[in-house]
Amino acid sequence: GAVVSQHPSWVICKSGTSVKIECRSLDFQATTMFWYRQFPKQSLMLMATSNEGSKATYEQGVEKDKFLINHASLTLSTLTVTSAHPEDSSFYICSARSSLETQYFGPGTRLLVL
Amino acid sequence: AQTVTQSQPEMSVQEAETVTLSCTYDTSESDYYLFWYKQPPSRQMILVIRQEAYKQQNATENRFSVNFQKAAKSFSLKISDSQLGDAAMYFCAYRSVIFGNEKLTFGTGTRLTIIP
Repeated sequence: GAVVSQHPSWVICKSGTSVKIECRSLDFQATTMFWYRQFPKQSLMLMATSNEGSKATYEQGVEKDKFLINHASLTLSTLTVTSAHPEDSSFYICSARSSLETQYFGPGTRLLVL
Repeated sequence: AQTVTQSQPEMSVQEAETVTLSCTYDTSESDYYLFWYKQPPSRQMILVIRQEAYKQQNATENRFSVNFQKAAKSFSLKISDSQLGDAAMYFCAYRSVIFGNEKLTFGTGTRLTIIP
């Protein structure tokens, strides 16, 4: 199947700093990428959908100024958590949709804000 | 809005036996996609199987097969010859084909334990 990479796999940062997470589709072009957040023992919660070259569409309740998403190319999307606080600690997962209409997921990024 | 329900928070099965995970969904659309994803302890989401709603034939991938009942809006996953590596959280997901609404809607998941 198609491969999606995510970097970093885990990050620890101080409160108030910003953290950037990269998501890459390695062997296919993804016109649409998605960012999810997952709390322990819960399902995935969609944060936003991004299309290459367009502004991201955020789900209700997700602060667009706090979670900045950039989808600059067909293989790269980034999520920046700005001015991170402990409540932003979570597991963030990206996914990319191939032309076959299937979404493939990255391995996730564990964020811990101290 | 579409909803996906997985009524079994946890399931267990003896190794080499067969287990069926349930999933129901609610939609007013006639065409859509359904997926089962597996999330092992590594937390990497892995596609298990997918079904197009317009196809009557149930999808099959090796030991994994689905029972797709469109009228009943049911999409169960059958795992045959269960293996230790099948232990994971399993998520059922729905995706619309309507442009602009193509996000995945997930169920709450079923944790599958394999008993050696």
